[in-house]
Amino acid sequence: EVQLVESGGGLVQPGGSLRLSCAASGFTFGSYWMSWVRQAPGKGLEWVANIKLDGSEKHYADSVKGRFTISRDNAKKSLWLQMDSLRGEDTAMYYCARDGFAVVAGMDYWGQGTLVTVSS
Amino acid sequence: DIQMTQSPSTLSASVGDRVTITCRASQSIRSWLAWYQQKPGKAPKFLIYKASSLESGVPSRFSGSGSGTEFTLTISSLQPDDFATYYCQQYHDYALTFGGGTKVEIK
Repeated sequence: EVQLVESGGGLVQPGGSLRLSCAASGFTFGSYWMSWVRQAPGKGLEWVANIKLDGSEKHYADSVKGRFTISRDNAKKSLWLQMDSLRGEDTAMYYCARDGFAVVAGMDYWGQGTLVTVSS
Repeated sequence: DIQMTQSPSTLSASVGDRVTITCRASQSIRSWLAWYQQKPGKAPKFLIYKASSLESGVPSRFSGSGSGTEFTLTISSLQPDDFATYYCQQYHDYALTFGGGTKVEIK
């Protein structure tokens, strides 16, 4: 069974940092693109970042470019999102999602999410 | 970035109704479009990929169509479990983008 479990969310002050983790199981992690998607309270879905199978290619939304870094370790079946210089508008539920097999193709499995609150 | 625009933003319908949601892309995305369903407090659920291919396990009352810049999600006969918010998402560009969402409410 495919499972994605996020952790690392919490309350952080503006300007602070947080590192989110996503533990994957039930599939060949290294064969899939992976994404982070967020959802601010009461708002729609916003794609944040994605990373290629071997980590050689990474893409970011303009809203987080230069502040967030996506990474992965296929041996550990883990995905991370390092979030620096956090702002109030980064407050959201953050989801880890499996994207396509070898190519980007739609996100077929999602974690339950981890909540990030940026506030003083 | 490619902008995705959904309409309507809210739709009121009754059980048994045929429902259609539209998604427009700011430039051609060929058929690189996915649809998701989300219920309150839950993660999104993958419904359709490549504009019209139904994900395994998704009821056949859901269907998708379109290519280029105009796409639709149709629910042929709305069921109680279908009241939710629906999102389109393009993956023509590696910088992925979602539509703003369409909330399907009970009439």
